[in-house]
Amino acid sequence: DAGVTQSPTHLIKTRGQQVTLRCSPKSGHDTVSWYQQALGQGPQFIFQYYEEEERQRGNFPDRFSGHQFPNYSSELNVNALLLGDSALYLCASSRWGSRTQYFGPGTRLTVL
Amino acid sequence: AQTVTQSQPEMSVQEAETVTLSCTYDTSESDYYLFWYKQPPSRQMILVIRQEAYKQQNATENRFSVNFQKAAKSFSLKISDSQLGDAAMYFCAYRATSNFGNEKLTFGTGTRLTIIP
Repeated sequence: DAGVTQSPTHLIKTRGQQVTLRCSPKSGHDTVSWYQQALGQGPQFIFQYYEEEERQRGNFPDRFSGHQFPNYSSELNVNALLLGDSALYLCASSRWGSRTQYFGPGTRLTVL
Repeated sequence: AQTVTQSQPEMSVQEAETVTLSCTYDTSESDYYLFWYKQPPSRQMILVIRQEAYKQQNATENRFSVNFQKAAKSFSLKISDSQLGDAAMYFCAYRATSNFGNEKLTFGTGTRLTIIP
């Protein structure tokens, strides 16, 4: 039973570019949440997707957007990249309404 | 807004000894979940233990146990018989239950645990 998977593992972009990160949830899970973890900090909630809709959103600008597909996988898009967007991006999945989220290994994004 | 505070940036413990990591939180909710997650250098966030606020009994998972003090809004993690594999960043996290499907986790800043052989 595969856990949460994310791609790519690492990514390097330059300021102003756009990036897409991908997440496949654990088998049986239908809800995906995204978090940003800056170096030395705890993860910060970006948003949550269920039934292909954004259900909750944290305090992130509109440059951060997402999508969920019918197979429950999800993408995180960031436009007009800033140096401050450099971070580890974590995806977590769960069954809607359950108590626990399971995390993927993350994508390390570096913006130069 | 809910906040989670971990006041110990770093802790160390001798192998086979016991260590306690501290966490306090602030919320106006009466029902919620609290979690401890472990993040080793591999970066994968791993659930260590979960506590439901409505349960008075402290959660335990093998060598890991919590001391949940609801009135004090305190949620500490005790690791017994520390092992080298316990070395990691430990994050305390809070999640409200007021809205069904509310998945947002609020994390503390973490405690880096070092195990001394």
